[in-house]
Amino acid sequence: DAGVIQSPRHEVTEMGQEVTLRCKPISGHNSLFWYRQTMMRGLELLIYFNNNVPIDDSGMPEDRFSAKMPNASFSTLKIQPSEPRDSAVYFCASSGVAAGGETQYFGPGTRLLVL
Amino acid sequence: QKEVEQNSGPLSVPEGAIASLNCTYSDRGSQSFFWYRQYSGKSPELIMSIYSNGDKEDGRFTAQLNKASQYVSLLIRDSQPSDSATYLCAVRGGSWGKLQFGAGTQVVVTP
Repeated sequence: DAGVIQSPRHEVTEMGQEVTLRCKPISGHNSLFWYRQTMMRGLELLIYFNNNVPIDDSGMPEDRFSAKMPNASFSTLKIQPSEPRDSAVYFCASSGVAAGGETQYFGPGTRLLVL
Repeated sequence: QKEVEQNSGPLSVPEGAIASLNCTYSDRGSQSFFWYRQYSGKSPELIMSIYSNGDKEDGRFTAQLNKASQYVSLLIRDSQPSDSATYLCAVRGGSWGKLQFGAGTQVVVTP
């Protein structure tokens, strides 16, 4: 199994630019999570999808952030416009019945730097 | 008050000794508890899950859960330099799988 795939692995952009992060969950998993990790705030859940439907987006910091899951094998997290305080590592994780339901498997993360 | 609290460390442990990590949580309705290990620059990796009061052992790792006192702990026996990492405690309280993570405890195993 290839695991959770994220792209890009690194992104450097300038303030005001649009950033799109991509995630491919493990095949067969029906839950997908987007997290953000910073030194100051730790690991924070941004949004959770179940069967491609957003269930909880209460962690999305503001309207500049949006996430979509058009199908079971692909999700995007978009930041528009980006700001320096968005600099963080963004993780995508997936889980499903095939994984025993509880275990979340994390992707390698996207390291975002907004200048 | 944070929902899941851990000592940030670093916790310095001599090689071969036992590392003891603690985690407390605020939601009494929490049902599932996890320990993730995160190496520097890498993603979190699940190492233990526990759901019932008591101890659960897996190799050199033992998770302990006390729901009445609202704490969960992780013991690492015979600590190795490869155990040097940040250990994240995660608690699931709701019905759909949302995890609340602690800030993590950094463990440094010294040869």
